[in-house]
Amino acid sequence: EDKVVQSPLSLVVHEGDTVTLNCSYEVTNFRSLLWYKQEKKAPTFLFMLTSSGIEKKSGRLSSILDKKELFSILNITATQTGDSAIYLCAVEHSGYALNFGKGTSLLVTP
Amino acid sequence: DSGVTQTPKHLITATGQRVTLRCSPRSGDLSVYWYQQSLDQGLQFLIQYYNGEERAKGNILERFSAQQFPDLHSELNLSSLELGDSALYFCASSPLLAGFTDTQYFGPGTRLTVL
Repeated sequence: EDKVVQSPLSLVVHEGDTVTLNCSYEVTNFRSLLWYKQEKKAPTFLFMLTSSGIEKKSGRLSSILDKKELFSILNITATQTGDSAIYLCAVEHSGYALNFGKGTSLLVTP
Repeated sequence: DSGVTQTPKHLITATGQRVTLRCSPRSGDLSVYWYQQSLDQGLQFLIQYYNGEERAKGNILERFSAQQFPDLHSELNLSSLELGDSALYFCASSPLLAGFTDTQYFGPGTRLTVL
């Protein structure tokens, strides 16, 4: 059965801390892994990863994929209260299906 | 604002009923995706249309159906509604056919409550 598991489920940090969110997967015919940020409403796209070992970076956020060990991490450095959100990992696989993890809820306190 | 519009914002209905959710993609986007987000199941991909044709199918129930019209708007039809169908339904659009590797722009969602 195809599955995507995110950890931790929930995280509370102080502003300025660095956080690492994890996503592991077991799917048939992996195509890509995507990260989304969901605040109050709809998810917004962050990164799409297809190749192992190549870091994607956007400001204080970065992500990397390990296709051998079947996981990805999302790093956020110098966290701000505006980073508080649910972070979703999704894996595209065979048949153009897309499986989401349950998400990691991040709360950044002042 | 992503440019994707969904109507209605909220919908409350009874079990056994049928509803239609509507989505207008961003101008020029040919692909439309439907997702369901509930507390227990999380976010789930339901179905994708590209330029009027079904492109990919996820965890969509037999009671649910969708279509994309010539003007590219899409409708998701949910019938014989059950309490467990209560969820937030998102539509997303992207310009290309290229599966999920293209950036998707999500609409604000329709919250469905089945009583």
